[in-house]
Amino acid sequence: DAMVIQNPRYQVTQFGKPVTLSCSQTLNHNVMYWYQQKSSQAPKLLFHYYDKDFNNEADTPDNFQSRRPNTSFCFLDIRSPGLGDAAMYLCATSRELGGHEQFFGPGTRLTVL
Amino acid sequence: QKEVEQNSGPLSVPEGAIASLNCTYSDRVSQSFFWYRQYSGKSPELIMSIYSNGDKEDGRFTAQLNKASQYVSLLIRDSQPSDSATYLCAVHAGNMLTFGGGTRLMVKP
Repeated sequence: DAMVIQNPRYQVTQFGKPVTLSCSQTLNHNVMYWYQQKSSQAPKLLFHYYDKDFNNEADTPDNFQSRRPNTSFCFLDIRSPGLGDAAMYLCATSRELGGHEQFFGPGTRLTVL
Repeated sequence: QKEVEQNSGPLSVPEGAIASLNCTYSDRVSQSFFWYRQYSGKSPELIMSIYSNGDKEDGRFTAQLNKASQYVSLLIRDSQPSDSATYLCAVHAGNMLTFGGGTRLMVKP
């Protein structure tokens, strides 16, 4: 089945220790997104890739970086996690930009100690 | 700033009743509208999309859109306890999707 996969599902890191979250998709969608969602809040878009074209949201901290080495994979790097970065990180894909449906992976729950 | 507003709830309905979830948005140029269901600790799951004024039905779900009033709603008929979740309204304008804060629905047996 075509799907969006995220690994790991749960990640525990220490304050300041870099962490990388991964996302892969078999939908062959052009666009991949990373969202951050904290408890009882709406998902907040961090950035997206349209193919290899990277687009950063204006209020995304520099601490968050992303890489998309190919169509199928996208990574979220948190260079120095703080306690406030503990959240669910959601990867989503869409066929194109501009109103197309977005499909989410299962998410990675990040805990920062 | 583009906003999407939802009543946070909880909205409590008895099993078998109709649940009505509402959403308003501020950006008049919005063209695409989505409803996602999110169970506690899980990721959002797309359940409905609607692009033009009127009603769109899919099984027990009906989405309603009124662009003039900047209002979109989701009706769930014959509500089941398994429908208990948070429902996120999402509105697309330009290239980005803006989510509301979600309405928590509780269906009581």
